[in-house]
Amino acid sequence: DSGVTQTPKHLITATGQRVTLRCSPRSGDLSVYWYQQSLDQGLQFLIQYYNGEERAKGNILERFSAQQFPDLHSELNLSSLELGDSALYFCASSVGFKDTQYFGPGTRLTVL
Amino acid sequence: AQSVTQPDIHITVSEGASLELRCNYSYGATPYLFWYVQSPGQGLQLLLKYFSGDTLVQGIKGFEAEFKRSQSSFNLRKPSVHWSDAAEYFCAVMNSGGYQKVTFGTGTKLQVIP
Repeated sequence: DSGVTQTPKHLITATGQRVTLRCSPRSGDLSVYWYQQSLDQGLQFLIQYYNGEERAKGNILERFSAQQFPDLHSELNLSSLELGDSALYFCASSVGFKDTQYFGPGTRLTVL
Repeated sequence: AQSVTQPDIHITVSEGASLELRCNYSYGATPYLFWYVQSPGQGLQLLLKYFSGDTLVQGIKGFEAEFKRSQSSFNLRKPSVHWSDAAEYFCAVMNSGGYQKVTFGTGTKLQVIP
């Protein structure tokens, strides 16, 4: 158990819908990262937050957004969902910028 | 731009045999390097990391990796594989300057046969 929690574990929704994925980092970690893992794209870095502020952006679509709240939990919002958005979404956390990232168990999103 | 190549998509070894998983990276300076393992349906678990110092890094579960700057490689090794090591292994590189960005390789799936 990494100490990072993600909810929900599974999510099934329809195209065009909007969903929110939630992540609680390890106690004491200020950085939160979001990743997408799919069969065709592999593991892709989406976005990083540090202490409430966006710190780095990767291959995140404009339909996706994220935020980190004062209690340091983070949410990833996915809107106008397409079939291709079906994937495992991982959250990871670390103490600071260049520290080891600890991964949560992931949220499996299925878009029908 | 940084990149990671894991040339072996799938590897099969016999239980008790030695293992080496290859990883090559591309990055302008000395990177931070990681190996993660992912069991089916699970998240990623850190096996080991290299930031600086001794180029031979020891990790959990009996794994080790060696950073070779001249070859831009960070290969993962284990002297004797156990059936429970069957999983997918990811090499990752993090930029050592500026803001943090992690790039993962495409993964190597390890099958262990009795």
